[in-house]
Amino acid sequence: EVQLEESGGGVVLPGGSLRLSCTASGFNFRIYNMNWVRQAPGKGLEWVSYISRSSSPMYYSDSVKGRFTISRDNVKNSLYLQMNSLTAGDTAVYYCVRQASAGTEFDFWGQGALVTVSS
Amino acid sequence: EIVLTQSPGTLSLSPGERATLSCRASQIVSSTYVAWYQQKPGQAPRLLIYAASSRAIGIPDRFSGSGSGTDFTLTISRLEPEDFAVYYCQQFGRSAYSFGQGTKLE
Repeated sequence: EVQLEESGGGVVLPGGSLRLSCTASGFNFRIYNMNWVRQAPGKGLEWVSYISRSSSPMYYSDSVKGRFTISRDNVKNSLYLQMNSLTAGDTAVYYCVRQASAGTEFDFWGQGALVTVSS
Repeated sequence: EIVLTQSPGTLSLSPGERATLSCRASQIVSSTYVAWYQQKPGQAPRLLIYAASSRAIGIPDRFSGSGSGTDFTLTISRLEPEDFAVYYCQQFGRSAYSFGQGTKLE
């Protein structure tokens, strides 16, 4: 069974940092491109970042470029998102998302980790 | 950045009726890179349609997608009670993804 489990969410002060992790199981993680997508409370979906199966290239949305860093460890079957200089606008549920092997669509989503930026 | 605009924002229908959801892109996008998702309250989104018109695994055939260029459509032929949810379109282009703002089907 395919599983994506996010961890590392929580409450952080404005200007602070947080690192999200996503542990994959039930599929060959190393052959899939991966993404992070977020959803602010009561709002729509916003794509955050992409990383290829080989860790290059990586892409970022304009809203997080220069502040967030995506990475992966294919030995540990894990995806990461390092988030720095956080603001209230970054408050959201962050989803770890698998990209389909032969396309650009997102075929499997984790349940999400809530990040709250608040003083 | 390619902006996707979904309409209507809210669609009020009854079970058994036909639903037509629209997604318009700010510039031409490849239909290969257009997808649709369903999200129910408290749940992660679920892939419905990819490459504009291909149904994902396990998706009932009452769901269909169409379109090209800048205009794409998700059609639900006969609404079932479990279809009432929020629907998002998505595209990939120029090294970035974008989602529409969503259509709530109530």
